[in-house]
Amino acid sequence: KNQVEQSPQSLIILEGKNCTLQCNYTVSPFSNLRWYKQDTGRGPVSLTIMTFSENTKSNGRYTATLDADTKQSSLHITASQLSDSASYICVVSGGSGGSYIPTFGRGTSLIVHP
Amino acid sequence: NAGVTQTPKFQVLKTGQSMTLQCAQDMNHNSMYWYRQDPGMGLRLIYYSASEGTTDKGEVPNGYNVSRLNKREFSLRLESAAPSQTSVYFCASSEAGVTSGYEQYFGPGTRLTVT
Repeated sequence: KNQVEQSPQSLIILEGKNCTLQCNYTVSPFSNLRWYKQDTGRGPVSLTIMTFSENTKSNGRYTATLDADTKQSSLHITASQLSDSASYICVVSGGSGGSYIPTFGRGTSLIVHP
Repeated sequence: NAGVTQTPKFQVLKTGQSMTLQCAQDMNHNSMYWYRQDPGMGLRLIYYSASEGTTDKGEVPNGYNVSRLNKREFSLRLESAAPSQTSVYFCASSEAGVTSGYEQYFGPGTRLTVT
């Protein structure tokens, strides 16, 4: 069964600090992995997408890594800001779900305190 | 461009009542989706429409029906609402299948409470 596990469930950090969120998946075959940011009361918005051949991808202060051999990804946030407070969702496409059914993780809730 | 729009934003229903959630996108996307999001759970796919004229069941289709009215609009109907359908519902669209790398764009959500 396709699964995406994220850790930690929740995280509290001080403004200006860095943090790393983890994503492990069992989706096979693998097509791509996206990280989404979901602000409270809003729909998710894509931050990055990574395919099999990519190890690292950055989007401003967000850097995603992918290890396709161990089926792990991480999202590193540098110099956190209050606006980074949100849920971060790892989504993996591929597997037996077909072209239109990605597998969502449950998300990591990040709170950035001043 | 408004992106993906959903109506209503909030709704309270009594058990057994019916309602239709509306979704429209202005990005000329081929594929549209309905998800539900419950506390502590990942987004779960209810139904999707790969292209105009087609609809398919997702992970949790029981109790729901959908209509792809045209390329822009995809509605979700609850025929007889149950408390277990209390959730936040998100509509999404993508140019084509996600395994090809196409991004899903999400609407702002409809918060539904069934009492």
